[in-house]
Amino acid sequence: AQTVTQSQPEMSVQEAETVTLSCTYDTSENNYYLFWYKQPPSRQMILVIRQEAYKQQNATENRFSVNFQKAAKSFSLKISDSQLGDTAMYFCAFMKGNGNQFYFGTGTSLTVIP
Amino acid sequence: GAGVSQSPSNKVTEKGKDVELRCDPISGHTALYWYRQSLGQGLEFLIYFQGNSAPDKSGLPSDRFSAERTGGSVSTLTIQRTQQEDSAVYLCASSSSTGVSYEQYFGPGTRLTVT
Repeated sequence: AQTVTQSQPEMSVQEAETVTLSCTYDTSENNYYLFWYKQPPSRQMILVIRQEAYKQQNATENRFSVNFQKAAKSFSLKISDSQLGDTAMYFCAFMKGNGNQFYFGTGTSLTVIP
Repeated sequence: GAGVSQSPSNKVTEKGKDVELRCDPISGHTALYWYRQSLGQGLEFLIYFQGNSAPDKSGLPSDRFSAERTGGSVSTLTIQRTQQEDSAVYLCASSSSTGVSYEQYFGPGTRLTVT
């Protein structure tokens, strides 16, 4: 079975600063995908960033980047130049290569302080 | 284009009643997922549909839960004889199984309250 662990239930960061959210996962699969999703108070889940396990290069999307350590099964999200609109729940997710099921962590509640 | 839509957005029901939750996926998406999100919790996988294949029902918590997907498009999640512990937000997502992304597009969810 696959498990996804987010060990930080809550975090806060000052506006314009950088914050890193942690995620670890456990799997015996070699082909898989990892995702970070954002869920603001509106409840709408939004994809932030995606990483294919076969790619060594860390994914980057504007102010969002990941540190993917395959051997350590770690997939952290770095948010640079934090903005007030980044305040949300952030979920780490794992998907096997066959796209059958997604496994989500319990989330990290991020608050950006003005 | 239109995203994933869900109805109703909120549903309050009495314990013991049946409820139906609807999901309209993005047109052309062959995969459809249902999740349950309890207060302060992550997403719990319920069921997965892929094209015309038999659904993966491994996440359904009890036989009171069932889901259908008609014509490979609209899906209905039915909860029979609702219990208070069924109170949660029920999220639907769809994805295209082609391409490299497997990105899931989520609907806004249905908040179910069982009194």
